[in-house]
Amino acid sequence: QQPVQSPQAVILREGEDAVINCSSSKALYSVHWYRQKHGEAPVFLMILLKGGEQKGHEKISASFNEKKQQSSLYLTASQLSYSGTYFCGTAYNTDKLIFGTGTRLQVFP
Amino acid sequence: NAGVMQNPRHLVRRRGQEARLRCSPMKGHSHVYWYRQLPEEGLKFMVYLQKENIIDESGMPKERFSAEFPKEGPSILRIQQVVRGDSAAYFCASSPHPPGGFEQFFGPGTRLTVL
Repeated sequence: QQPVQSPQAVILREGEDAVINCSSSKALYSVHWYRQKHGEAPVFLMILLKGGEQKGHEKISASFNEKKQQSSLYLTASQLSYSGTYFCGTAYNTDKLIFGTGTRLQVFP
Repeated sequence: NAGVMQNPRHLVRRRGQEARLRCSPMKGHSHVYWYRQLPEEGLKFMVYLQKENIIDESGMPKERFSAEFPKEGPSILRIQQVVRGDSAAYFCASSPHPPGGFEQFFGPGTRLTVL
């Protein structure tokens, strides 16, 4: 079952903050976040695991609410390089990832 | 350590022809995944393979599509008798362990255009 992302699109000016949400109707084992720029491959940002473990980049923060089956990605003090489409991928066990429909983020000067 | 490699990067086929997409995972990675992405859409899971085994092919159409990951050589996604609706970007990813708790590394993708 595909996770639901919100919002579908965000427009920011440099320095502004944004939150991207990902929710599932099933119990999650982990949530993965990726960013994809137009015409390029998705790039890993972060993994949040059931039980609280997180792996990812220093400048990216995220939360995982296991009870609500929700994750949020926090983008603070946005830079032009943050522009792209953000995908969450959910795993219900240790097997495959199912990706959400994406959130398009545009940062303007 | 070279990243995930995919070739060709662009592939043009006429309706009814076969398309073969290749993916060489990162060194030491035995888990390979294929995804399809239509323009302006998300990544759709197709198949998950581990060396010589198909672990999960629930996202792959039952007809015309097949995938393999032999003991030696790259993983191959094969599309027989292509139709216009097969036009998409096909991404391969790999990981050293099952994906639930580990990062997947994506290749640059193969853009398939069916005329």
